[in-house]
Amino acid sequence: DQQVKQNSPSLSVQEGRISILNCDYTNSMFDYFLWYKKYPAEGPTFLISISSIKDKNEDGRFTVFLNKSAKHLSLHIVPSQPGDSAVYFCAASGVETSGSRLTFGEGTQLTVNP
Amino acid sequence: NAGVTQTPKFQVLKTGQSMTLQCAQDMNHEYMSWYRQDPGMGLRLIHYSVGAGITDQGEVPNGYNVSRSTTEDFPLRLLSAAPSQTSVYFCASSYSSRGLYNEQFFGPGTRLTVL
Repeated sequence: DQQVKQNSPSLSVQEGRISILNCDYTNSMFDYFLWYKKYPAEGPTFLISISSIKDKNEDGRFTVFLNKSAKHLSLHIVPSQPGDSAVYFCAASGVETSGSRLTFGEGTQLTVNP
Repeated sequence: NAGVTQTPKFQVLKTGQSMTLQCAQDMNHEYMSWYRQDPGMGLRLIHYSVGAGITDQGEVPNGYNVSRSTTEDFPLRLLSAAPSQTSVYFCASSYSSRGLYNEQFFGPGTRLTVL
């Protein structure tokens, strides 16, 4: 039972344009959501997060939107840069499963073309 | 700080062999965990620990053992390796397991192949 799903295995965009990565979840007990970025041969690194009491969080070029009623979140990258090319993982946690235990999606490979 | 370190970086085993994947962190983090990454399946939690002497199972614990005798170290043991355990393994740690989410820091990974 995949509780966090990223339905797009890959996404390709032009440099300077917007990248939109999507994530859906099924567990209504999730109350904190995160995006991690992973380059080849490295561990994932934290990118941005959002609490369920908010619907938007912004950090520079990265914005995460949360739609609780639809159980959907998205990551917007504007403008996209070639260095953003990586695998992006959506993850979720809930108080009932301990604040640090994460459930990850499958990942989306983002390629930003110069 | 070195952060989260993992050894070895690469390992090839034969079916039935045993080995230990090492993980250490120097940030005095309370929470540590092991994930495996497989194509199309993301990161799946194997085992985790909320402090020294305390461990618990994640989503895919079968075939793996862990222990946490110190705050710094969290080794993952494969007692009898199987081809299905071919994967990339990541260790992660965070400051606390309580309350609001605490950012997890990941190690560089161990790529394991079981023949």
